[in-house]
Amino acid sequence: GAGVSQSPSNKVTEKGKDVELRCDPISGHTALYWYRQSLGQGLEFLIYFQGNSAPDKSGLPSDRFSAERTGGSVSTLTIQRTQQEDSAVYLCASSFVERNEQFFGPGTRLTVL
Amino acid sequence: SQKIEQNSEALNIQEGKTATLTCNYTNYSPAYLQWYRQDPGRGPVFLLLIRENEKEKRKERLKVTFDTTLKQSLFHITASQPADSATYLCALGSYIPTFGRGTSLIVHP
Repeated sequence: GAGVSQSPSNKVTEKGKDVELRCDPISGHTALYWYRQSLGQGLEFLIYFQGNSAPDKSGLPSDRFSAERTGGSVSTLTIQRTQQEDSAVYLCASSFVERNEQFFGPGTRLTVL
Repeated sequence: SQKIEQNSEALNIQEGKTATLTCNYTNYSPAYLQWYRQDPGRGPVFLLLIRENEKEKRKERLKVTFDTTLKQSLFHITASQPADSATYLCALGSYIPTFGRGTSLIVHP
């Protein structure tokens, strides 16, 4: 594909429900990042995958958040028992680790009612 | 704790002028610094990367400086155009970049 894609683009859910957000990185990029961005806020790092190494989960805000990356490509971010404070835009980015520059997807706007 | 500061107030300038945005940081020794552009409803787009041993980098109408003594980066857009209006984010990193909140630039025709 031409760039990083994310789905869905918008997700509205009820408090307490689980949601899954998907990211398709650029083919060949070994590094994949998840961030979230609340209105007027900076990007908050969530989790980082690099090749076959164990992911860096240091940014996950609670154990309700988890992510996996299958086959070194597609990644899924799962939020269990969603809360209203989880409402934000969730952004995925990928890169060649040696280059550092990140290519971002368009994001998934999550609204928890 | 590490802190990145970008002016929260929007920068308003006239078309044709040079826009200068500032990124200050504390409690940090980044190996590199990046600048991204973000338009409403879209993900950030990479613009420039400058490493700790570089003072200045240019790309077309863009120029970035990096002063590790002052712990500051300046981002310049020369001959600004209304299409340059966006939010500009700086990001510092040695491993996983940490992003500032961004500064909104508005270029008036």
